[in-house]
Amino acid sequence: ELKVEQNPLFLSMQEGKNYTIYCNYSTTSDRLYWYRQDPGKSLESLFVLLSNGAVKQEGRLMASLDTKARLSTLHITAAVHDLSATYFCAPSFYGGSQGNLIFGKGTKLSVKP
Amino acid sequence: DAEITQSPRHKITETGRQVTLACHQTWNHNNMFWYRQDLGHGLRLIHYSYGVHDTNKGEVSDGYSVSRSNTEDLPLTLESAASSQTSVYFCASSRDRYNSPLHFGNGTRLTVT
Repeated sequence: ELKVEQNPLFLSMQEGKNYTIYCNYSTTSDRLYWYRQDPGKSLESLFVLLSNGAVKQEGRLMASLDTKARLSTLHITAAVHDLSATYFCAPSFYGGSQGNLIFGKGTKLSVKP
Repeated sequence: DAEITQSPRHKITETGRQVTLACHQTWNHNNMFWYRQDLGHGLRLIHYSYGVHDTNKGEVSDGYSVSRSNTEDLPLTLESAASSQTSVYFCASSRDRYNSPLHFGNGTRLTVT
């Protein structure tokens, strides 16, 4: 069975702190996407990770992919309130086409002053 | 600017009625997708299309149908609406089915009474 597990599912953190969101998946995948969703809004793409060892950074967010460990991480550095949102990972299985994307359940991040 | 538009934004319908949700994109993308988002389930794929006249079933396709007669549109039809189909529906498109991110519409909130 294909499984994508994100943890934590809920994360409350203070501004200025660092934290990591984990995305584990159950079978081979060599590409993975991260998306952000603000409350009541649509999803926007954050990162596309296309190979083992890929690392992408944008502002205070950095994503990495370890295909051997079946793990991706989203690291938050010095969090600010504007990062409050729900973050989804989505690995692609069975050849990597987007018809085989499976989304995690999301990590709801709340950054407090 | 290119965009992806869903209509209506909100819809209330009765059990047993046929409902069609519209999705129109001006990206000229070949790949289009329909997802539903429910609390506790993340996003789940309903149907997708990799080009005109191509349609494929996703994880939760029962009770839904799509057709693709042109590049820009992928309407989603609920043949006989059920209360279990109350959800938020997102349409998405992508340039490359393997390597590019999904661009999401703003969603349609459907309530079946």
